[in-house]
Amino acid sequence: SQQGEEDPQALSIQEGENATMNCSYKTSINNLQWYRQNSGRGLVHLILIRSNEREKHSGRLRVTLDTSKKSSSLLITASRAADTASYFCADSGGYNKLIFGAGTRLAVHP
Amino acid sequence: DAGITQSPRHKVTETGTPVTLRCHQTENHRYMYWYRQDPGHGLRLIHYSYGVKDTDKGEVSDGYSVSRSKTEDFLLTLESATSSQTSVYFCAISGGTDTQYFGPGTRLTVL
Repeated sequence: SQQGEEDPQALSIQEGENATMNCSYKTSINNLQWYRQNSGRGLVHLILIRSNEREKHSGRLRVTLDTSKKSSSLLITASRAADTASYFCADSGGYNKLIFGAGTRLAVHP
Repeated sequence: DAGITQSPRHKVTETGTPVTLRCHQTENHRYMYWYRQDPGHGLRLIHYSYGVKDTDKGEVSDGYSVSRSKTEDFLLTLESATSSQTSVYFCAISGGTDTQYFGPGTRLTVL
């Protein structure tokens, strides 16, 4: 079963706009990670936020974690066409195993 | 990019035939994983390895076996392929952190 559930399933925006994706999970998390997948490619790690952190930044990415609501959000500011991809949240457990959600498909139009 | 390759990249086979997918890494990472990706399901863990000859089952292990005889290679075998195993298979590696690095994927079609 999947630990994380992303919302929305698909998102379409214009270049320059911000994109927000949400991830809700069922049980307590260890370390929540976000990955990006370009069409037909492998996943690429974007950012990790630990269970005792509330917010983290990396370039144009901002991730928040609300353990009381069991949710996380990924914000991409000033989106570019190159940000078009699928985005997945995942929780890491023992042996660094990852449990993924179904992902959000982001389309950024020029 | 992490040094991780998968072979073959594409394969078409018939129901009932054995299939072996190979994952090769040059990073000397301890952990290796096999996932499958199907529409609407994200990635699901099939098997993983936490050392040479140390493997365990993941969420969707039925019909799959794995072997790891040396650090750099992790093999995924479908003993008798079925159409439900048509999927894209990803290998991933992980060292001392939680981050995983993914290979380019193998697209398998079982007719």
